[in-house]
Amino acid sequence: NAGVTQTPKFQVLKTGQSMTLQCAQDMNHEYMSWYRQDPGMGLRLIHYSVGAGITDQGEVPNGYNVSRSTTEDFPLRLLSAAPSQTSVYFCASSYSVSANTGELFFGEGSRLTVL
Amino acid sequence: AQSVTQLDSQVPVFEEAPVELRCNYSSSVSVYLFWYVQYPNQGLQLLLKYLSGSTLVKGINGFEAEFNKSQTSFHLRKPSVHISDTAEYFCAVIHGGATNKLIFGTGTLLAVQP
Repeated sequence: NAGVTQTPKFQVLKTGQSMTLQCAQDMNHEYMSWYRQDPGMGLRLIHYSVGAGITDQGEVPNGYNVSRSTTEDFPLRLLSAAPSQTSVYFCASSYSVSANTGELFFGEGSRLTVL
Repeated sequence: AQSVTQLDSQVPVFEEAPVELRCNYSSSVSVYLFWYVQYPNQGLQLLLKYLSGSTLVKGINGFEAEFNKSQTSFHLRKPSVHISDTAEYFCAVIHGGATNKLIFGTGTLLAVQP
């Protein structure tokens, strides 16, 4: 059971570089989301999607783009990385169309450092 | 603003002692409440959830939580902790009007000492 798979697990970027964090799930979940985790701040929702072709903003969307062309994949793009985006990023999915009844299944995280 | 507050950033406790991790949420017409656990270098996993019905919710690993609407709280409890319970615990809330946004608290590190 692969579940939610995130790649890469670790990445170091220079300020201004762009990159994409990949997230794939094999559970046929409609709902997918991205969070960032920072010390003392818990997890904050960046973007989420309730199905292919549908995305929406969370609490901290600035500096990040997402798209959902398939049910399985939900990549997170950093167009011009900044040191403030140094964080651990988690992708999560749910069998429920919304997050309110379904359990969220998390990936193992991607640790990003921006110099 | 919709929010959830975890009052303690760290809770040290001795093995086999009881523990309570506190969580308060901002009042709303309807709420759904969750506790997640994160072991070191891992993602989060669901401990328990309150959607409706009985206010006492039992979860995995012997944890339970009680929904208290009048005090807007959802505290997590375990009568006897083990070393293996050492982890970070997150309270999370969905307010009825924003069913797609699960908002997390800042987390409480439970440090179980022998």
